[in-house]
Amino acid sequence: NAGVTQTPKFRVLKTGQSMTLLCAQDMNHEYMYWYRQDPGMGLRLIHYSVGEGTTAKGEVPDGYNVSRLKKQNFLLGLESAAPSQTSVYFCASSGSGGLVNTEAFFGQGTRLTVV
Amino acid sequence: KQEVTQIPAALSVPEGENLVLNCSFTDSAIYNLQWFRQDPGKGLTSLLLIQSSQREQTSGRLNASLDKSSGRSTLYIAASQPGDSATYLCAVNFGNEKLTFGTGTRLTIIP
Repeated sequence: NAGVTQTPKFRVLKTGQSMTLLCAQDMNHEYMYWYRQDPGMGLRLIHYSVGEGTTAKGEVPDGYNVSRLKKQNFLLGLESAAPSQTSVYFCASSGSGGLVNTEAFFGQGTRLTVV
Repeated sequence: KQEVTQIPAALSVPEGENLVLNCSFTDSAIYNLQWFRQDPGKGLTSLLLIQSSQREQTSGRLNASLDKSSGRSTLYIAASQPGDSATYLCAVNFGNEKLTFGTGTRLTIIP
């Protein structure tokens, strides 16, 4: 059972380039999330989804877009990367009822550097 | 503002000792609290989830307690081992689809 899988694990981008981070979960979870982790700031929620075809803004959504075309996948896009988006990105998922009821399961992270 | 604090930021303990990690939160109206472990360069591994109606949860050598009225949770690790060395994160759900994280305590177990 793979759980939550993120692709790629590492990436270096030039300012202004675009990219998409892929998150896949095999637990049949309804809820999926994208967080970023920066030194001294803890993890912060970027966007989330409560089911296939839905998305919602989190705490720090600016500069990012997301899509949830399939229940098992949640994509995070950067249209025009900026150095401030250098971070470690984590995807997570949770089951029935979302975070008020169940625990979150996290992927291994994507380390993104924008130069 | 709903905030989660973990003090100290780093802790070193000799192998075999019992230890307590602390987590405090500013709003007592929580739904649940989750403890995670994070190894360097790795993802987060869920350790324990405590619902607001619970006082504690146990898993092996780990015991997490919750005191909503004082805004505190503790993670107790018994008989520490070098393999317990990691960063421990506390995350609180205040009733929406977001976990509010502390900045973690980096634990080092000295052989």
